[in-house]
This record gives sequence, C-alpha cells and structure tokens, in this order.
Amino acid sequence: DIQMTQSPSSLSASVGDRVNITCRTSQTVTTYLNWYQQKPGKAPKLLIFPASTLQSGVPSRFSGSGSGTSFILTISGLQPEDSATYYCQQSYSSPWTFGHGTKVEIK
Amino acid sequence: QLQLQESGPGLVKPSETLSLTCTVSGGSISSYNYYWGWIRQSPGKGLEWLGSIYHTGSTYDNPSLMSRVTVSVDTSKNQISLRLRSVTAADTAVYYCATFSILSSGTFDYWGQGTRVTVSS
Repeated sequence: DIQMTQSPSSLSASVGDRVNITCRTSQTVTTYLNWYQQKPGKAPKLLIFPASTLQSGVPSRFSGSGSGTSFILTISGLQPEDSATYYCQQSYSSPWTFGHGTKVEIK
Repeated sequence: QLQLQESGPGLVKPSETLSLTCTVSGGSISSYNYYWGWIRQSPGKGLEWLGSIYHTGSTYDNPSLMSRVTVSVDTSKNQISLRLRSVTAADTAVYYCATFSILSSGTFDYWGQGTRVTVSS
C-alpha cells in the first residue's frame, strides 16, 4: 500500500495568511493526488484533483501543486470558513489511501 | 443532485456481522459512470477505503479487509450494501458511502452524511 504523510498535523494561522500543507507519498503517484476538506460532523468534500485542478465551486484561494511524491495544498488568504481538517488521497494505485489530516485553526 | 444516505444499526456486538445500506437518490445507480462504495473514519486509523463496486458488479477491493468485507449493489432498489464480518472494537467508526470516479482521476466525489457504528457487547 502507498503510505501518505501529511505535515504539519495541525497549524494555527490568522485571517489573510498564506497556508501550506504538505503531503508526501511512499512511492510515486505521478499527479494522482487529491485533496479534501472536512468540517466537524460532516463528510469530506473534494477540493482539488488530480494535484492541481480546482473542483467546481471551490474558492480560487485554494490551489494545489506537486508531482511524484511531494505535493502542497496552499490557501492564499485564509478565511474563517477555512477552519477544517484537510486530507490528501492517492488514486494512483489501489488500495486508495488517505493522509492522516492537517487541522487548520484560525487564530 | 445526487444524494447518498447510509442506514443501519448503530451498535454491533463483537464477532457479529456489520450490515449497512446506502440509498442513492437523484438518479439511477446504473446511469452514472461511478463506482459506489464505502469509506470509514476512526480516530485511530483515520480515513480508510473499504471497497467499491460498479453497477455491473465489477469491484475494487481493499486487500487488507477483503476476507471480511463484501460490497454489493442492488440496482432495482438503487442501493449499495456493506457487510463486514467478525467485527471487533477496532471496527468502531463512522461509515460513509461515497462515489468513486475513474474519469476524474480517482476521486471520491459524493459522500453520504455518514453513520456511526460502535462495536461493543
């Protein structure tokens, strides 16, 4: 199975800050890397796939980059509604696996 | 708009079989180019994909659970089912039904709200 490592596990930032979340995979997934946002009590919501395409309806302050084994989710201009946990997921090789999440809090 | 709704018992005894159903509304399962399946979330293991099935019966299985998990589809009822055998406390989790899209490079596009299952005697 492809192992997923996200960092940091949590962060606290101010409104308007630029936030970077890193996802590393144990072997190459080329660009088959997706990002999700989960708010408490809700199901995860698809944000970005594969690696850099914004899902319809997702604000443009979210962006994704990377390929191979290293990927970054960037929030440019953090907003209060971005307080959530963010997960990466690889779809290069079954079984599909997820990172353990990065919890983003607003200062 | 496609909607998924999980249902089933919230409490299962150890060694028994966990059975959940996902009812799809907003269109026929057979009309969508999606695999349909299950993901669970627990504090210990995080998000874990369990398995997915196409309306034709073609499946993607997670080998780590394959011997205990059965995912099935009933197109006449527009439902997907999960059976997890010989459960233990480690199977306590929130279980989600979700679509899996091959066309969008392997994304879980639509999710149900999730149903919490506790394994306890």
